[in-house]
Amino acid sequence: DAGITQSPRHKVTETGTPVTLRCHQTENHRYMYWYRQDPGHGLRLIHYSYGVKDTDKGEVSDGYSVSRSKTEDFLLTLESATSSQTSVYFCAISESGGGGRETQYFGPGTRLLVL
Amino acid sequence: GESVGLHLPTLSVQEGDNSIINCAYSNSASDYFIWYKQESGKGPQFIIDIRSNMDKRQGQRVTVLLNKTVKHLSLQIAATQPGDSAVYFCAEAFYGQNFVFGPGTRLSVLP
Repeated sequence: DAGITQSPRHKVTETGTPVTLRCHQTENHRYMYWYRQDPGHGLRLIHYSYGVKDTDKGEVSDGYSVSRSKTEDFLLTLESATSSQTSVYFCAISESGGGGRETQYFGPGTRLLVL
Repeated sequence: GESVGLHLPTLSVQEGDNSIINCAYSNSASDYFIWYKQESGKGPQFIIDIRSNMDKRQGQRVTVLLNKTVKHLSLQIAATQPGDSAVYFCAEAFYGQNFVFGPGTRLSVLP
């Protein structure tokens, strides 16, 4: 998984609670991404980061926030989890953005269930 | 279970046969394409990529074909093996835009 770890790997939480997912990389890549994967959909971009403290929204960013205080760590926070946020979350990295045209390598995923 | 695999089209092939997985992409401006393989419970794994200035690219046992006229991408796997069983999906991108990922096709290798 290209030196990418995600924690936790599985999480069960209740509606209304905050949840933070962590992505850690050892590749020193500049770009990091958070995606969600749901049945019937391709991967959908939540947020991405193009450097420390530099982040931007993706296609499905509502209800999510991110932070990147170090090159190697990218955190995804669900401020108040809802059942619609039950999903599998993947972190990805790329060496540079490449104008969107550079290979992204994915972590193993976090399976989140919101009851 | 493999919740992300629900409702996907499935391709079943005999072990040893060649597999062809197809992908129709959406944007004629897309100029970079990737095929990923995703095994149950794992993250997507890069297989092969191709840029729009090429029609064909070969890797180890895999070939990607690009037909820009009809916006079609295919992945050919030679001598399919049980370890090739997975969900395969394509991704497209063009300059300044993030990747758009297809929902995928499940490949099932029969003994």
